[in-house]
Amino acid sequence: GQNIDQPTEMTATEGAIVQINCTYQTSGFNGLFWYQQHAGEAPTFLSYNVLDGLEEKGRFSSFLSRSKGYSYLLLKELQMKDSASYLCAVMDSNYQLIWGAGTKLIIKP
Amino acid sequence: ETGVTQTPRHLVMGMTNKKSLKCEQHLGHNAMYWYKQSAKKPLELMFVYNFKEQTENNSVPSRFSPECPNSSHLFLHLHTLQPEDSALYLCASSQNREGPDTQYFGPGTRLTVL
Repeated sequence: GQNIDQPTEMTATEGAIVQINCTYQTSGFNGLFWYQQHAGEAPTFLSYNVLDGLEEKGRFSSFLSRSKGYSYLLLKELQMKDSASYLCAVMDSNYQLIWGAGTKLIIKP
Repeated sequence: ETGVTQTPRHLVMGMTNKKSLKCEQHLGHNAMYWYKQSAKKPLELMFVYNFKEQTENNSVPSRFSPECPNSSHLFLHLHTLQPEDSALYLCASSQNREGPDTQYFGPGTRLTVL
């Protein structure tokens, strides 16, 4: 079967760095997406990785290792507004997104 | 309006009611999706439309009935729902169904079935 695993909840301190991991097993691979979802709001697109390596976009970076079925989202210089759920999703061979259950990130002052 | 909009944002209905959820995308996309999001569970894909044609129905009960009159509008008609159908219903769109295109989401409708 297809499976995406990510931690249920993480806590970090304002100004610090946090890494949210995602491991996957899917039927084929057409890229991995990270989305941010604030409570009661739409998931918003953060990043897309299809090749191995690190993609940096401001304070957020996303890493992919296809051979290990592994990705992480790295958030630097954490701000209170980064408190949200972070969703990992893999696009399979049919271009269907397979979703993780999301990681709730709590930022403390 | 920009992006993907959904109405209503909140809906409370009894099990015998009939209601409809509406989604509109202003992005010029060709594919539209309905997802169900329950607490602490992965998003569940319900229906996919590509160029107004339904391409996927992921074993969704018949009490959920989608309608796509054109590439910009998507409806989800609800009737005789069950309390376990209470969830956040998200609409999304992407440029195309076939291809690694990013999906853009609306804010969702929070549905409560009494």
